[in-house]
Amino acid sequence: DTGVSQDPRHKITKRGQNVTFRCDPISEHNRLYWYRQTLGQGPEFLTYFQNEAQLEKSRLLSDRFSAERPKGSFSTLEIQRTEQGDSAMYLCASSLAVRDEQYFGPGTRLTVT
Amino acid sequence: GESVGLHLPTLSVQEGDNSIINCAYSNSASDYFIWYKQESGKGPQFIIDIRSNMDKRQGQRVTVLLNKTVKHLSLQIAATQPGDSAVYFCAETGNQAGTALIFGKGTTLSVSS
Repeated sequence: DTGVSQDPRHKITKRGQNVTFRCDPISEHNRLYWYRQTLGQGPEFLTYFQNEAQLEKSRLLSDRFSAERPKGSFSTLEIQRTEQGDSAMYLCASSLAVRDEQYFGPGTRLTVT
Repeated sequence: GESVGLHLPTLSVQEGDNSIINCAYSNSASDYFIWYKQESGKGPQFIIDIRSNMDKRQGQRVTVLLNKTVKHLSLQIAATQPGDSAVYFCAETGNQAGTALIFGKGTTLSVSS
């Protein structure tokens, strides 16, 4: 257990529905990252926050994807109008700004039927 | 473009052997590298990292070697145990430390007893 938690661990949804995932980072970590991982591949970076500021979001996969970190603590990732191609593991990681190593949570596995 | 890749998708060893997992990177400006271990259904687990101003770093039973001349990174695991069976990823932060990690595809290590 790295100290990064994600909820839910699994989500099954029907195509067209909206889903929201939550990530709670290690408490003193001011950087928070979202990644997506498909079967057999390494994680793919989506977006990251430093405190409450979203500093990089150009790699979000489409405008259906959005993320927030309103108080600089937990973060949410929302996918609107889900598609079957969104089925993947969504991973959250956190780090201290002055250090580089990122610690990952267990992930949320999304299945879109 | 920036990419991190691995030489072999799978590696099978006997318990007690030493394992070497290799990774090639393409961005000569990369200055920070990390190895992660990922077990089935879990998030990536930090193993060891190394900065570009070093060529070797040791941890508990693990050693990372960095050869900047040929842009090659390796992870050595001493006295491999069945619990080491997992997918191993190398990752880099490209030109900017502390932001997005770029992952390769991973090497699946299988340890038989």
